[in-house]
Amino acid sequence: GNSVTQMEGPVTLSEEAFLTINCTYTATGYPSLFWYVQYPGEGLQLLLKATKADDKGSNKGFEATYRKETTSFHLEKGSVQVSDSAVYFCALSALSGFQKLVFGTGTRLLVSP
Amino acid sequence: DVKVTQSSRYLVKRTGEKVFLECVQDMDHENMFWYRQDPGLGLRLIYFSYDVKMKEKGDIPEGYSVSREKKERFSLILESASTNQTSMYLCASRSGHLNTEAFFGQGTRLTVV
Repeated sequence: GNSVTQMEGPVTLSEEAFLTINCTYTATGYPSLFWYVQYPGEGLQLLLKATKADDKGSNKGFEATYRKETTSFHLEKGSVQVSDSAVYFCALSALSGFQKLVFGTGTRLLVSP
Repeated sequence: DVKVTQSSRYLVKRTGEKVFLECVQDMDHENMFWYRQDPGLGLRLIYFSYDVKMKEKGDIPEGYSVSREKKERFSLILESASTNQTSMYLCASRSGHLNTEAFFGQGTRLTVV
């Protein structure tokens, strides 16, 4: 079946450090890939997405590239801020999945001043 | 501004009670979902609906049922609440197109005592 694997957290960084959160997936066909962010006490909101191989999604300084050869969609940011502290979820949507989004377990990011 | 609204942010219920969690979306989306979120387990799909009166079981449907009498409203029902159903519940909606994102409500934190 379809699945998403994320690196375990928490990831602890100092402000202005470089961020990478790894995400790999298993799916039939060509899924769409998403990163969602959840700030404390809130629901999930879309951070970025990519819908085909080699697409790069970007938003708020975050980027992720859809790599079909390595079945990966790693999230990166060049310089994190304290306000980026949140839980980040990688997700996929596949044709075989009835419009469902399949999520990873989430990675908590803690950024200190 | 698109919106998914869950009826309660916090609920405390007693073991054995029947519990209703309500979700309303204003985007005319065909698909609606109920997830539960637990630490270390990420988001797990309970039920989803792809049309009015249509429903499909997700990964963890036991102890839950759902109702979708109108397109904009999707209800999650705990027939007899138990302490292991204490969790954060997230509702989401999504259009019928593969490449679109899901929109989430703010979540309901349910405590069963």
